[in-house]
Amino acid sequence: AQKITQTQPGMFVQEKEAVTLDCTYDTSDQSYGLFWYKQPSSGEMIFLIYQGSYDEQNATEGRYSLNFQKARKSANLVISASQLGDSAMYFCAMREPREGFKTIFGAGTRLFVKA
Amino acid sequence: DTAVSQTPKYLVTQMGNDKSIKCEQNLGHDTMYWYKQDSKKFLKIMFSYNNKELIINETVPNRFSPKSPDKAHLNLHINSLELGDSAVYFCASSDGLALVDEQFFGPGTRLTVL
Repeated sequence: AQKITQTQPGMFVQEKEAVTLDCTYDTSDQSYGLFWYKQPSSGEMIFLIYQGSYDEQNATEGRYSLNFQKARKSANLVISASQLGDSAMYFCAMREPREGFKTIFGAGTRLFVKA
Repeated sequence: DTAVSQTPKYLVTQMGNDKSIKCEQNLGHDTMYWYKQDSKKFLKIMFSYNNKELIINETVPNRFSPKSPDKAHLNLHINSLELGDSAVYFCASSDGLALVDEQFFGPGTRLTVL
């Protein structure tokens, strides 16, 4: 069974608008961490934002925020004021204490920002 | 200063050959990882080491052997390369094994097996 599901293979957004990238996860653990990474066309993986399962506030980092809905097991990434440089693959990931703190990645969402 | 570096960046080789990819981190981290990203961009953990001790060993063919000579280095040796080994291999490191510890990735090594 998929542990991390990103249902949007591709998304388009107009420059300067906000966009939400969906991520749902599946775990029976109470403690876990959720991450978002960006992979531009140059190939490197860039950490964006982290949310702990016990964090009561949604995480924010500059233009990135994580809409964490624990009961629904969703951890959507919101990018505000999109820029052309935001065009990239975005990966949601989850880390659990089991199995050596393995991090599992979703299939990714490719975001295209239009001028 | 590069935080996590990998060499080589590109590797093109024939089936059946043996090759190694080297990884070094200068972040002082205790934990290092190898990931494989396939042609569909799916990223999967292969190995992780914490303080030179093997922590995660996923269902990977035993042709793949990681070696951690010290905390700052984690190399990946691949024997008898096959066409299906073609992928991008990422090394990563994190401070430790805490849930909050983000991973810092190297630039990747694109392996092409002909």
